Amino acid sequence: VQLVQSGAEVKKPGASVRVSCKTSGYTFVSFGISWVRQVPGQGLEWMGWISTYNGNTNYAQNLQDRVTMTRDTSSSTAYMELRNLRSDDTAMYYCARDWGASSPKYFDYWGQGSLVTVSS
Amino acid sequence: SYELTQPPSVSVSPGQTTSITCSGDKLGDRYAYWYQQRPGQSPVLVIFQDTQRPSGIPERFSGSNSGNTATLTISGTQALDEADYYCQAWDRDSVVFGGGTKLTVL
Repeated sequence: VQLVQSGAEVKKPGASVRVSCKTSGYTFVSFGISWVRQVPGQGLEWMGWISTYNGNTNYAQNLQDRVTMTRDTSSSTAYMELRNLRSDDTAMYYCARDWGASSPKYFDYWGQGSLVTVSS
Repeated sequence: SYELTQPPSVSVSPGQTTSITCSGDKLGDRYAYWYQQRPGQSPVLVIFQDTQRPSGIPERFSGSNSGNTATLTISGTQALDEADYYCQAWDRDSVVFGGGTKLTVL
């Protein structure tokens, strides 16, 4: 099982960023994908979950107006877009394989992380 | 919203047993999960569904969950166990992490 994320990004405040998570080694639609972020030096924050089977999503309440999660079953890839970026969105963003098929549960494999820096 | 509370730091001597707690309202009624994160690395699942160890996780890692507290116990702690540890639970349609505990092996 592998989850390989896209590279680091530098964005200006107000811009958008899209992070990809290409999976391999398992049946993509049998597990969900959750996204978790970590501000440098701080703890883990769950951002949301997507059902890879039907595209249903659950987002963290504090991000639901700015985040969109999608997936492409043909390439076994999940995407996370965050809009209207602010400086406090500077963080490492992780995708993780989620055992929840109908809602988020827990994560047994993680991507390597994608650093997003928001700076003017 | 549901909250999980962990002590910020715990210290242990090599070879000793240490426990890291995670508190939440009626946490024992839910499953608790634990992740280890070494500096500069992605988190690793070390305990799932309160007590289960994923393949490849050493037997010295164990978990329990009852009442309002879940506990991660590391027996015979080794230097390579020095890391941040996060508990996690799921609540309805969302996931909650504890604030994390930095384990120092002195």
